[in-house]
Amino acid sequence: KNEVEQSPQNLTAQEGEFITINCSYSVGISALHWLQQHPGGGIVSLFMLSSGKKKHGRLIATINIQEKHSSLHITASHPRDSAVYICAVRSNTGNQFYFGTGTSLTVIP
Amino acid sequence: DAGITQSPRHKVTETGTPVTLRCHQTENHRYMYWYRQDPGHGLRLIHYSYGVKDTDKGEVSDGYSVSRSKTEDFLLTLESATSSQTSVYFCAIGQGAGEQYFGPGTRLTVT
Repeated sequence: KNEVEQSPQNLTAQEGEFITINCSYSVGISALHWLQQHPGGGIVSLFMLSSGKKKHGRLIATINIQEKHSSLHITASHPRDSAVYICAVRSNTGNQFYFGTGTSLTVIP
Repeated sequence: DAGITQSPRHKVTETGTPVTLRCHQTENHRYMYWYRQDPGHGLRLIHYSYGVKDTDKGEVSDGYSVSRSKTEDFLLTLESATSSQTSVYFCAIGQGAGEQYFGPGTRLTVT
């Protein structure tokens, strides 16, 4: 059983397109994280959310606690956005993190 | 970027041999984590530490042990490596309720 589900698993977009990646979770959480993993393997934290919405440059993350759902949006996508995007949640009952399997994004020039 | 390094970055070893991976931080974060990443699975927690000499198991801890004798170092040991432990191992650090910062990863192959 996966506590965190992401969709789609793979996504190909043309440069400039608006992109949405979805994350649903089944456990109670204290926070939700969006991570980016580059082809070289390094993992970078993009956002940490516990409610509402956050924006950083062309990236926007939203969370709906009641529906246990979060979305990551990329506006005006660029080939350098090509990476795997990972949703992770921190359980509210301990120090456990649960990770989705990631969404592989390819942006074509 | 958080100061977190892992060593070695790549290792090939034979089944049955012991292996130790090292995670080193310069950020004085309280929490340190070891994860493994495999195709088709999200990152999975092996063990974590919430202070010097304080550790706890994660969801895939069988076959692994850890030690933390000082704040900056968290060691992951495979007592007798098996092929199922071929994976990419990530260390992460954090202050608890906040973000986690990940190391560059160690690619381990057990032949």
